[in-house]
Formats: sequence, C-alpha cells, structure tokens
Amino acid sequence: EVQLVESGGGLVKPGGSLRLSCVLSGSTFSNVWMSWVRQAPGKGLEWVGRIKSKKDGETTDFAAPAKGRFTISRDDSINTVYLQMNSVKTEDTAVYYCTRGAPSGSFYDYWGLGALVTVSS
Amino acid sequence: DIQMTQSPSSLSASVGDRVTLTCRASQGISNYLAWYQQKPGKVPKLLIYAASTLQSGVPSRFSGSGSGTDFTLTISCLQPEDFATYYCQNYNSAPLTFGQGTRVEIK
Repeated sequence: EVQLVESGGGLVKPGGSLRLSCVLSGSTFSNVWMSWVRQAPGKGLEWVGRIKSKKDGETTDFAAPAKGRFTISRDDSINTVYLQMNSVKTEDTAVYYCTRGAPSGSFYDYWGLGALVTVSS
Repeated sequence: DIQMTQSPSSLSASVGDRVTLTCRASQGISNYLAWYQQKPGKVPKLLIYAASTLQSGVPSRFSGSGSGTDFTLTISCLQPEDFATYYCQNYNSAPLTFGQGTRVEIK
C-alpha cells in the first residue's frame, strides 16, 4: 500500500523558517516526481512546487508565491522529500500536502494527510 | 501561467440528478487535465486524468471530456457520497495550476 506521511508542521513566526518532510512507502521513490500542494483554511488547492527524479535531472519548479523563498529537495536513500520554507508570511498558513506524481504525468494519485503550518506572531 | 477557471463555483442538486461541471484553461493544455474530489476534512482524491481516463476504483458514473481549453466533469446519477468540492488541475507545464473548485451541495 502506497503511503505518504508528512511531518514538521507547526507554528512559525513571520520571517522565520520551517522544513517539512515527507516519507513515501509502498512505492519506488527514486523514479517518481514529488510535489507539494497547499490549502489555506477554507480555501482551494494551490500548487506549491515539485522536484523531478534524479534521472530527469532532479530539477525543481515552483509557483510564483513560493519562488525564491521555498526549496524542495529529496533523499532517495530514505524515500524522503523536503520542503524548506524560508521568509514565511502569514499567507503561507495552510495545510501542506505531499503528493506523488503518477507515472504517466504530473497529476497526483497519492496524497499525504497533510501538515498544518501556521504563520503567526 | 495558465489560469484554470471552474464554473459554477457552487451548485445545488438532488440525488439522482445528472450534473456537469466545467473547467476552462486560459490557453490550450491538450488533454493534460485532471479532476479531484475533496470532502470536508479529507484529502483530495483523484477521479480522472488525461481529461477522460477514469482512475482505478472510481465509479463509472463519473466521466470527463474535453481537450484544449474546455473541459467537463459529468456525474451521471448523483449519489449521496458525491456531495463534495471538485477541482480541476492543469498538468501540461509548470507552474501547474488548480481551478478554484466547484462545490456540489444537496438541494
């Protein structure tokens, strides 16, 4: 059974940093592209960014609100993807979902349960 | 960036109704379109990808169509468990984008 488990959420002050982790189990990790999607309270889904597999260059892409502040990395040896969030703003408050890109495209067949990040002073 | 616009933003329907949700892309995305269902407090669930391919395990009352800029999700006979919010997603090229969602409510 494929599972994604996020960790690292919590309360952070504006301007601070936080790192989310996500472990994938039940699936080969090294070949998949991993993404982060967030959902602010009472709002819709917002794509944050993704990291491609090592064989595809391990490059990253980001949505405009995350560009320059967030980074995504991966450690294939422990089936883990990370979202490093720097210079956070109150509008970054959301549930952050880790998602697995399907083999045939960048849509998401598996989602984690989400990690709540609250940015507040 | 490609903008995804869903309509309506919400609708009320009865069990047994046929409902059609629309998603429009600001530029052509071929068939790189997915639909998700999200119930309150739950994780989004993939329903359809490649505009019209039903994800394994999804009931056949769900269907998708479209290509280019205009897409639809149809629920042929609405069931009680289908009351939820539905999102379309463009995955043609980064940055990937979601529509704002259509909430399907009980009439």
